[in-house]
Amino acid sequence: DAGITQSPRHKVTETGTPVTLRCHQTENHRYMYWYRQDPGHGLRLIHYSYGVKDTDKGEVSDGYSVSRSKTEDFLLTLESATSSQTSVYFCATGGESYNEQFFGPGTRLTVL
Amino acid sequence: AQKVTQAQTEISVVEKEDVTLDCVYETRDTTYYLFWYKQPPSGELVFLIRRNSFDEQNEISGRYSWNFQKSTSSFNFTITASQVVDSAVYFCALSEARGGSYIPTFGRGTSLIVHP
Repeated sequence: DAGITQSPRHKVTETGTPVTLRCHQTENHRYMYWYRQDPGHGLRLIHYSYGVKDTDKGEVSDGYSVSRSKTEDFLLTLESATSSQTSVYFCATGGESYNEQFFGPGTRLTVL
Repeated sequence: AQKVTQAQTEISVVEKEDVTLDCVYETRDTTYYLFWYKQPPSGELVFLIRRNSFDEQNEISGRYSWNFQKSTSSFNFTITASQVVDSAVYFCALSEARGGSYIPTFGRGTSLIVHP
């Protein structure tokens, strides 16, 4: 168990509002990832980080930004939420990028 | 085209049956990594196995076994004598090099339902 927490666990918001999801890890893993999970699409990578202040885009990064100011925290921000961003968001960590990933419990986000 | 194809969207079996979950991947890299994860109804994602592209040896862990065949770009997962607790969505993933990191791509998952 990699000690990964996500907050909030559930959120309902309205279209156009900003939303920030937080991922916190206690394992000092170098890599952190944000995914979204939607029916029929599996897990899709939004952004990932390979160190403090080092981030890069995944396959579905439009409409999302991330920040990593500390090793243990990785924030995902929806600047102006849209209904298409309704999803379950998972954070994951890994010691190295070729290693297995450890996942957080997920955040269910509903954008009305 | 999908990089990781799990053609079976849903599989339904009766307890004690053997079941194989298929995973076909596509890559031009010589070095890559393959993974299987399990997502039970409770929602968490659990790592099952990792394989690198240079290790084609099959692996067995209890009732679980994995067959990696580079010739067919497949990394299939077999559960022997399935149990109700095996009911879950199973994801196959491929990590390829991009810059200095290996970036994962997940398949769409196979939902396994094991009936008592």
